[in-house]
Amino acid sequence: KAGVTQTPRYLIKTRGQQVTLSCSPISGHRSVSWYQQTPGQGLQFLFEYFSETQRNKGNFPGRFSGRQFSNSRSEMNVSTLELGDSALYLCASSPGGRGGGEQFFGPGTRLTVL
Amino acid sequence: DQQVKQNSPSLSVQEGRISILNCDYTNSMFDYFLWYKKYPAEGPTFLISISSIKDKNEDGRFTVFLNKSAKHLSLHIVPSQPGDSAVYFCAASAAGNNRKLIWGLGTSLAVNP
Repeated sequence: KAGVTQTPRYLIKTRGQQVTLSCSPISGHRSVSWYQQTPGQGLQFLFEYFSETQRNKGNFPGRFSGRQFSNSRSEMNVSTLELGDSALYLCASSPGGRGGGEQFFGPGTRLTVL
Repeated sequence: DQQVKQNSPSLSVQEGRISILNCDYTNSMFDYFLWYKKYPAEGPTFLISISSIKDKNEDGRFTVFLNKSAKHLSLHIVPSQPGDSAVYFCAASAAGNNRKLIWGLGTSLAVNP
């Protein structure tokens, strides 16, 4: 079975721009979660989608948004980029019915905001 | 407010010895705990988990112990190998709140040959 894939792997943007990151979960997985990882901050939960609906949300500003498609693929959008948005963005999928269980992570998208 | 705390940012151990990584939590509603390992430039990979109905779970060289009264869990790696050098994250979830995973900040383990 193919693992979780994320595109692009690396991205450089400037302040004020917007960005869209993509995540393809493991086949059959219906839950997709997004995390932001910055040095010293661990994994900060952004949101989780299950069957095209946002099931959980972290404490990030409204500039961070996401969606999930009927094939479970998910996208994350960040508008009006700030320098502090530079981070590794990780996507994780799970079968999803119960939530909170084992999640399978992709390699991440490294976003640099200049 | 950090509900899951890994108080040691780093740990260094000799190859062949035991590595003990600790994790404390504050939310008594947490009933499922997981450990993940992360290498640089890769996403975290699941290592081992434990439900609150147990106090120990073992998988090969990895054992997780849960002390509910102390709200503490630990991951033991025996024997430690250089390939175990990575950042280890502890995560927890509760039946309420749609089982959102709450993560610790991680402990960087270095196993020296």
